[in-house]
Formats: sequence, C-alpha cells, structure tokens
Amino acid sequence: NAGVTQTPKFQVLKTGQSMTLQCAQDMNHNSMYWYRQDPGMGLRLIYYSASEGTTDKGEVPNGYNVSRLNKREFSLRLESAAPSQTSVYFCASSESTSGGYTFGSGTRLTVV
Amino acid sequence: SQQGEEDPQALSIQEGENATMNCSYKTSINNLQWYRQNSGRGLVHLILIRSNEREKHSGRLRVTLDTSKKSSSLLITASRAADTASYFCATDRDSNYQLIWGAGTKLIIKP
Repeated sequence: NAGVTQTPKFQVLKTGQSMTLQCAQDMNHNSMYWYRQDPGMGLRLIYYSASEGTTDKGEVPNGYNVSRLNKREFSLRLESAAPSQTSVYFCASSESTSGGYTFGSGTRLTVV
Repeated sequence: SQQGEEDPQALSIQEGENATMNCSYKTSINNLQWYRQNSGRGLVHLILIRSNEREKHSGRLRVTLDTSKKSSSLLITASRAADTASYFCATDRDSNYQLIWGAGTKLIIKP
C-alpha cells in the first residue's frame, strides 16, 4: 500500500522553465491537494480537488495550474518558473474534505 | 493567512518527560487536526478532534479542545527520541474545504 506517491523528489529549474509535478494515490480518496511549505511557515494551499472532475484555487494559486486526470492522479504545473516558487511541494489526499489527510513525501524544487 | 498558531515555536525536553504543545485559532471550526513531520519527510496525521469533542486519546497522545478559548493542546507522554519532529495543528472552517495550518512547534527530545 503505497499511499500518496509524488515524483520527482528533487528538481532544479532555471527561471522561465516549465515542469509538472506528479501525484498519485491508491486509497480511493475523493479529495486531493497541493501545498507548498516554506521555512518557518505553515503549509499553504495552492489548489485542491474536492472530487474527480473539479478543481479550485487555494490560498496561493498564482503561477500554477492543476489537472485532476482521474480519481487517482492530481498534477501541478509550473508554466514559467520563478525563484519565488523555490519551495517544498506536498501532495495530499483525503477520503472527504473533513477528514485526515495522507501526505506524499514531497518534491524539493529549486528555481535558479 | 494563518488560522492556527502553535506555541511554543520550539521545545527541547529530556527523554521520558512529557511534552505539551498548544494551538490557538481565530474562527469557528468543524474540526482540528494534529500532524507530525519528521525532518525532510511528509506530514503524518496524528489525531482529529471534532468541535463537539473535548478530549481525545491515541496511544501516548492526548489532545484537548476548548472551543470557548479557541485553543487546543497536544500532550505527548513519556517522550522518546523518535518523537523528535515538528508538530502542526490544522483547522477547517465552516463550508470551506481548506485546512488552515500553523507554523508548527519543533520538538527535540534529548537522550
């Protein structure tokens, strides 16, 4: 039982490059989330998908796009990376929006 | 915007002692959750307490919730080296899917 799998684990991008962070869960959860975590701060929600076929903006959506490809997969895309997007990105899932979350192990992204 | 605020920001205790962390929040909630994050890893869900509950236990963990004071505490009894981690509280708000996170308490257990 893998839980939530994120790829890649590490990535270095040059300013202006694009990339997609992948996330997949095998728990048949309805809801999925993308967070970023910066030093000294709590997690900030980028986008979420309450159920398959829906996506909504979170607290810090600018510069990002998402795709809920199916019930298992929720990807995060940076179209034109900026140094301010240097962060650790976490994907999470939950059975419902009011339950506990299961997190992936994170993607450490550096934009130079 | 941060809803949950953990206190203290850092806590260092001897192995075997009890550790208490607090979380305060600003608006009414449906539930409050506590998570643990080991260095360089993802967050692990510890316990969820609903707004109509006052206390909940899970192994060596005890969580209390005081909705009148908008605060919660996490008690870890008989601490172990493996408890060294950052601990976060997260709250949800009525009719909102978003969890709001505090900045965390960094707990260090000294052998």
